[in-house]
Amino acid sequence: SQQGEEDPQALSIQEGENATMNCSYKTSINNLQWYRQNSGRGLVHLILIRSNEREKHSGRLRVTLDTSKKSSSLLITASRAADTASYFCATVNTNAGKSTFGDGTTLTVKP
Amino acid sequence: ETGVTQTPRHLVMGMTNKKSLKCEQHLGHNAMYWYKQSAKKPLELMFVYSLEERVENNSVPSRFSPECPNSSHLFLHLHTLQPEDSALYLCASSQGTMGQTGELFFGEGSRLTVL
Repeated sequence: SQQGEEDPQALSIQEGENATMNCSYKTSINNLQWYRQNSGRGLVHLILIRSNEREKHSGRLRVTLDTSKKSSSLLITASRAADTASYFCATVNTNAGKSTFGDGTTLTVKP
Repeated sequence: ETGVTQTPRHLVMGMTNKKSLKCEQHLGHNAMYWYKQSAKKPLELMFVYSLEERVENNSVPSRFSPECPNSSHLFLHLHTLQPEDSALYLCASSQGTMGQTGELFFGEGSRLTVL
């Protein structure tokens, strides 16, 4: 079964509200990354959090990691219509030498 | 602009055709990847090349044939595909293989439709 699973699958909010997406995984990781994908385009790396970190910020993005619960969350504050996209978490396990992506959360921000 | 360029962006082919997807990275990376993204399915890793050597082949059917002539270029040769192979094919590169930070730089993808 897949390593990363995001929830919710879809999220619709008004501009200005905060959006929270969650990712759960099953095995040990070295780091976890979040990517964004606009419809029909490639994925763009947003932020990386290492397994020994608990929280990381980048602009309006805040990522948390709880290795005991094997979960991570991505918070986008003060959302904008331009944040409308799909968001994926990817777990990296150096022993396995691979990065595994989840199904993604589709975020719609209404103006 | 991520520094990874894929061509063509869209491709329609019949089941008996032979076509190729091309990927070029301008980032000086030494690892390149092909991913398949189908509707309602997670991103699937197909092939990994590190220093032009194939290091991973995830049980991909032989109708998909990768080629990495140098560290900047990656091809995916397609022949006798099936309609279920219709998907977005994404190329990515990284500095080192997944054993390091694992940050991937993706191209815009090639949307493939098999009739």
